[in-house]
Amino acid sequence: DQQVKQNSPSLSVQEGRISILNCDYTNSMFDYFLWYKKYPAEGPTFLISISSIKDKNEDGRFTVFLNKSAKHLSLHIVPSQPGDSAVYFCAARWIENFGNEKLTFGTGTRLTIIP
Amino acid sequence: GAVVSQHPSRVICKSGTSVKIECRSLDFQATTMFWYRQFPKKSLMLMATSNEGSKATYEQGVEKDKFLINHASLTLSTLTVTSAHPEDSSFYICSARRPVNLKLFFSYNEQFFGPGTRLTVL
Repeated sequence: DQQVKQNSPSLSVQEGRISILNCDYTNSMFDYFLWYKKYPAEGPTFLISISSIKDKNEDGRFTVFLNKSAKHLSLHIVPSQPGDSAVYFCAARWIENFGNEKLTFGTGTRLTIIP
Repeated sequence: GAVVSQHPSRVICKSGTSVKIECRSLDFQATTMFWYRQFPKKSLMLMATSNEGSKATYEQGVEKDKFLINHASLTLSTLTVTSAHPEDSSFYICSARRPVNLKLFFSYNEQFFGPGTRLTVL
């Protein structure tokens, strides 16, 4: 049961344009949503997060939007740069009983920025 | 950001042998470490949560006798795949988190990921 879904396995965007990566989820218990970026042979690195009580969080070129009614979030990167080429994972956090934090990840979207 | 290392990065072993993977937080003390497994074109699946000085908490469907986790210090957690079989071949990745307080419920405390270990069981 895939609770966090990234339906686009890949995306190509021209340099300088906007990249939009999408993510859908099913579990209403998630309280934080995250985006991680992964380069080959490296571990994922944290990019940006958003609380479930907010609908937008911005950090430089990166903005995450959350639509709770649609159980959908998206990551916008503008302007896109060649160094943004990587695999992007959407993840969701929930706190289990006794304070155990758990992350559920999507399958990732490979973003390629075309110079 | 903080640095988490994993060793080895790649390992090939024969069926029936045991393999140990180390996860180290290099510049911070990690009271909690997480072990994930990733199959090709699949998402990272949480296997277990490891707290320093206590037994690991395993996710449903993960055999604790098969995947032994030890978190003996604040900077080191190990995952041992015992009696490995070809179906255990996968990408194993750990993450570490700094100690959290009551703010856990009101903020996201970043997990820092290692580079992963590719295990191939022949």
